[in-house]
Amino acid sequence: SYVLTQPPSVSVAPGKTARITCGGNNIGSKSVHWYQQKPGQAPVLVIYYDSDRPSGIPERFSGSNSGNTATLTISRVEAGDEADYYCQVWDSSSDHSVVFGGGTKLTVL
Amino acid sequence: QVQLVQSGAEVKKPGASVKVSCKASGYTFTSYGISWVRQAPGQGLEWMGWISAYNGNTNYAQKLQGRVTMTTDTSTSTAYMELRSLRSDDTAVYYCAREEGYCSSTSCTYWFDPWGQGTLVTVSS
Repeated sequence: SYVLTQPPSVSVAPGKTARITCGGNNIGSKSVHWYQQKPGQAPVLVIYYDSDRPSGIPERFSGSNSGNTATLTISRVEAGDEADYYCQVWDSSSDHSVVFGGGTKLTVL
Repeated sequence: QVQLVQSGAEVKKPGASVKVSCKASGYTFTSYGISWVRQAPGQGLEWMGWISAYNGNTNYAQKLQGRVTMTTDTSTSTAYMELRSLRSDDTAVYYCAREEGYCSSTSCTYWFDPWGQGTLVTVSS
């Protein structure tokens, strides 16, 4: 089955740029979606279709996808961005059609 | 606004069954599918399966085949997930999520927005 690999943690100072990666075999050929999950809350979609933002998501959130790595970039990081972030793809070749990455804990220093 | 509201927390004994509901509002229920995703304590997200609210077609994760059943009631815009033969490792928060997608000429992709608030299911003797 298809596997998505994320770093367990990323740390960044307020006002700086955070980059969270999601690795997968030829992931650039798939569409990647990203979710933010704060403690005790349900996940929230922050990026879909590699780089599109749902309404209400700040422009500080952006996404890219090429080769074997997709990246969620958060510019001008704020304390409120501290959360777990998950990438997700739909893999038509797998029994587990929906695949999530293991998640990355973003810590704002 | 689009909203999914789930039923309350459950405590079950090993071997029992649980049925979680997910009531949709703010959109045409039959125009979208619903997926169920669970999250064990301190762990990541695990996709359980999907149901079409249009025709009831389902696709379950292989790991749960035979133990899970997803259904919908279009008269009340409610989706249900039943999990049987519960074990301690089924203890988790269970989420429903509306599935959105796009198909090009060569492939499809699907994502989830919004999610329900989650239902904690605790399996303990």
